[in-house]
Amino acid sequence: EPEVTQTPSHQVTQMGQEVILRCVPISNHLYFYWYRQILGQKVEFLVSFYNNEISEKSEIFDDQFSVERPDGSNFTLKIRSTKLEDSAMYFCASRQGGAGELFFGEGSRLTVL
Amino acid sequence: LAKTTQPISMDSYEGQEVNITCSHNNIATNDYITWYQQFPSQGPRFIIQGYKTKVTNEVASLFIPADRKSSTLSLPRVSLSDTAVYYCLVAPGAAGNKLTFGGGTRVLVKP
Repeated sequence: EPEVTQTPSHQVTQMGQEVILRCVPISNHLYFYWYRQILGQKVEFLVSFYNNEISEKSEIFDDQFSVERPDGSNFTLKIRSTKLEDSAMYFCASRQGGAGELFFGEGSRLTVL
Repeated sequence: LAKTTQPISMDSYEGQEVNITCSHNNIATNDYITWYQQFPSQGPRFIIQGYKTKVTNEVASLFIPADRKSSTLSLPRVSLSDTAVYYCLVAPGAAGNKLTFGGGTRVLVKP
């Protein structure tokens, strides 16, 4: 069964460092998403991406965040200067059409020290 | 975007049916209702989606009354492995929509 894959599974970084989280969505999917989940809290929407541009973003997704689809298969989330409060699980998701099932990856756990 | 309200938690026992109701009073005409399941340290997983009346698949049923202001996810004969958080989402079937998760319902299945 096709799946969304994310790397790394866990990253530890120092405050102020840049982090890039990578995702490979399912190959025929057109809509891509990043979510985050702080430990013990709900899943929070960060950004959606379609046709090589951001279609929606939340208030969390400020100037320190950016997304890119550099090569037609990867979908990346960059955090420019990490803060302690960026420590969370980051989930990538994709779906084929505008409605229907979202497929999530297993997540990348980011720990900012 | 329609706001959703679900119970924070529910306890059940193996073999019982679990019904989780989600309120979405300001649902819009083109909104769909979707339920996801999440185990600890894993990404959410799609369970079922519906627009109106009843939808059934191999794992659950979704009941949506005519006014669509609520929906009920029904899990038949739960097992210990169904212990998870269940999220109700309401969103339009449009490109790139902002799919927002609410607080979810933590279901604990006891032996």
